Amino acid sequence: KNEVEQSPQNLTAQEGEFITINCSYSVGISALHWLQQHPGGGIVSLFMLSSGKKKHGRLIATINIQEKHSSLHITASHPRDSAVYICAVRPLSGGQLTFGSGTQLTVLP
Amino acid sequence: ETGVTQSPTHLIKTRGQQVTLRCSSQSGHNTVSWYQQALGQGPQFIFQYYREEENGRGNFPPRFSGLQFPNYSSELNVNALELDDSALYLCASSLARNRGTDTQYFGPGTRLTVL
Repeated sequence: KNEVEQSPQNLTAQEGEFITINCSYSVGISALHWLQQHPGGGIVSLFMLSSGKKKHGRLIATINIQEKHSSLHITASHPRDSAVYICAVRPLSGGQLTFGSGTQLTVLP
Repeated sequence: ETGVTQSPTHLIKTRGQQVTLRCSSQSGHNTVSWYQQALGQGPQFIFQYYREEENGRGNFPPRFSGLQFPNYSSELNVNALELDDSALYLCASSLARNRGTDTQYFGPGTRLTVL
């Protein structure tokens, strides 16, 4: 079983829809990262969370430390949001980042 | 643009050959991490270098080795290439002020195909 599980694996939405991507993890963590990967491979860091909620533009990330769960929300989705969204956690034990397998999001015009 | 560059962008090798991938860190960053990302999977941690010394290693065999230079650029070397080494190789730089909360800045990756 992976330490980091994401759902769904694939998501197709119409432009303007509200999108939620979920991430569950099994270990105690010091931080959780949400990353965006576009075709071609480059990865951009969207958020780093250790508690609560963060917002940047149309993106919102929340984390519940007790439930070991985080969500990434996209409001008013746009085709340019189409990408793979990856959740990664840094264990409290001090190890390196452990990544989920990613959620492929496609937003249709 | 994260300021992290990697070369080459694509590479084709045959089984048994050796390969060197290069990464130039973002200015001011003293830590570089290397990851392997197979198709449809999340990145897997290979190793990290901090101030020219290896600072952690994932579950990869010794034929994966690395170097970090005084200017904090880095190389990943893979010997005796196997078909399963075909993947996207990503490097990420950071300023390791706090290992728990440092943000990593990723390069665009090198796509390696082993035939």
